[in-house]
Amino acid sequence: AQSVTQLDSHVSVSEGTPVLLRCNYSSSYSPSLFWYVQHPNKGLQLLLKYTSAATLVKGINGFEAEFKKSETSFHLTKPSAHMSDAAEYFCVVSDWDSNYQLIWGAGTKLIIKP
Amino acid sequence: ETGVTQTPRHLVMGMTNKKSLKCEQHLGHNAMYWYKQSAKKPLELMFVYSLEERVENNSVPSRFSPECPNSSHLFLHLHTLQPEDSALYLCASSQDVAGGGGHEQFFGPGTRLTVL
Repeated sequence: AQSVTQLDSHVSVSEGTPVLLRCNYSSSYSPSLFWYVQHPNKGLQLLLKYTSAATLVKGINGFEAEFKKSETSFHLTKPSAHMSDAAEYFCVVSDWDSNYQLIWGAGTKLIIKP
Repeated sequence: ETGVTQTPRHLVMGMTNKKSLKCEQHLGHNAMYWYKQSAKKPLELMFVYSLEERVENNSVPSRFSPECPNSSHLFLHLHTLQPEDSALYLCASSQDVAGGGGHEQFFGPGTRLTVL
């Protein structure tokens, strides 16, 4: 059965410094992996997705994530944080076994210090 | 309107009330979803519709009743709710049902529900 673990419930970084949000997953098959972002009082928006093409995936707003099968990880990074990046980030896994269900992590709240 | 819209954005109701949440997608998608988002818990999938047919009901209490009259509209009818049902209810749509095909889901802004 699939599962997703976001290793940090909160991450705090200073503006202009790198961002790392960690995600580990378990999947019986070749998974599809997603990162979604939720700004306060807004719906969820897709940042990026991995679907068995290039292992380094680039998304919107300068974010990228690397699929590492050996480590079952899909960590989200950004070289330089901006105040507008403050939001909650969700790692999501899906594979053929889950049919139409996306399996969601519990979320990581990203705090940007001025 | 573009994307996925939800009304109302906020709803306060008593335990004996009956209310409905509405979702509309303007993307030409075939699949629609209801999710419940509670504080400090992963997103919970409630219902999935594909081409107006319900394909999943994740052990949701019968006090939640979905309706999908066409592929663009999805309703969630609420009756005799409990205070623990207070949460953000999110609607989403995708080209087809999700799964290994990697179909992106597009979300509405949600309805913040408070049950007194």
